[in-house]
Amino acid sequence: DIQMTQSPSTLSASVGDRVTITCRASQTISSWLAWYQQKPGKAPKLLVYKASSLESEGPSRFSGSGSGTEFALTISSLQPDDFATYYCQQYDSDSWTFGQGTKVEIK
Amino acid sequence: QVTLRESGPALVKPTQTLTLTCTFSGFSLSTSGMCVSWIRQPPGKALEWLALIDWDDDKYYSTSLKTRLTISKDTSRNQVVLTMTNMDPVDTATYFCARTTMKTRNFDYWGQGTLVTVSS
Repeated sequence: DIQMTQSPSTLSASVGDRVTITCRASQTISSWLAWYQQKPGKAPKLLVYKASSLESEGPSRFSGSGSGTEFALTISSLQPDDFATYYCQQYDSDSWTFGQGTKVEIK
Repeated sequence: QVTLRESGPALVKPTQTLTLTCTFSGFSLSTSGMCVSWIRQPPGKALEWLALIDWDDDKYYSTSLKTRLTISKDTSRNQVVLTMTNMDPVDTATYFCARTTMKTRNFDYWGQGTLVTVSS
């Protein structure tokens, strides 16, 4: 199975900062790469799909990029509502895998 | 409006079989491309995909758990059922169901999750 490794595990940042979270796949994957935001006690929320497509109700400060084995989620200007845990997720060969998560904390 | 809701026992004993039901609305599992998945999350840990069933009744399972999982659907009742056998305390987690489409291969709508604790 393909493994997804996110970095960093924890990120401390301030409101207004530009933030980038990376996700590395253990082997080359197609563009079936998605990003989710999860707040405590809540279900994850889809932000980005197919590596770079913003979900219809997603704020435009979120963007996804990458291909092959390296992918990234960027928040252009961190807002108070963005402090949460973020997960990447890939699909390949009838199997879905999540990364271990990146917690974005207030600095 | 798409909604999903998980239901099942909050507490199961070790070695017992867990049965969870996902009841959904706003879409049909008889529509080409539609799927429902089960995903779990142990307390304080990451998400783990468990199983998926598609509109054509094809079923897919996590490699590490496939011997313990069975997923099925009742299209007329808009329900998907997951059974997991031989439950262990390490299976304590919040279990989510989510809609998936083969067009995007991600989870676009989620239930609120149900916490299952495995303890004697």
